[in-house]
Amino acid sequence: AQSVTQLDSHVSVSEGTPVLLRCNYSSSYSPSLFWYVQHPNKGLQLLLKYTSAATLVKGINGFEAEFKKSETSFHLTKPSAHMSDAAEYFCVVSDSTPLVFGKGTRLSVIA
Amino acid sequence: NAGVTQTPKFQVLKTGQSMTLQCAQDMNHEYMSWYRQDPGMGLRLIHYSVGAGITDQGEVPNGYNVSRSTTEDFPLRLLSAAPSQTSVYFCASRDRSGTEAFFGQGTRLTVV
Repeated sequence: AQSVTQLDSHVSVSEGTPVLLRCNYSSSYSPSLFWYVQHPNKGLQLLLKYTSAATLVKGINGFEAEFKKSETSFHLTKPSAHMSDAAEYFCVVSDSTPLVFGKGTRLSVIA
Repeated sequence: NAGVTQTPKFQVLKTGQSMTLQCAQDMNHEYMSWYRQDPGMGLRLIHYSVGAGITDQGEVPNGYNVSRSTTEDFPLRLLSAAPSQTSVYFCASRDRSGTEAFFGQGTRLTVV
């Protein structure tokens, strides 16, 4: 069975400092992994996806994530936070049909 | 190309009422799913379908019913609404290759 654990429910950073949102997954097969972002009262937007190609995945808005099979991790990073990055972020795994979501990490950006 | 269309966007129901949340996609995707989103719980899978005529239960199926008579449509039925079903509901579709899922804009349901 597949599952996702987002290690922090809330992360707060200052504008201009790095962002790290942590995600560990469990999967029986070689999974596909995703990060989605949800701004307040909005829908879900795909940030980036890993589907067994390069282990370092670049996404939109300067975000990237690294797939580490040995650590079963897929952490999301950004070198410099912007106020517009404040949102809820979801790590998602799929090794079969339905996507399985983590509980989410709320990112706050302080001016 | 509309993507995934959910209706309605907002709905208020009384306890015990029934209703259907509509979901339609125009991308010819085989896989469709319904999720509910509650604070601190992420998105939890209610039901999903791998093609017309085939559905299966997810993590939280109780109180909900689905059918998939066409590739395009995947309605979610609330049989007898309860306050615990107050939530935001998202429909998603993806193709067989299993890459990106496309989401509807969500339905905010309140049961009073």
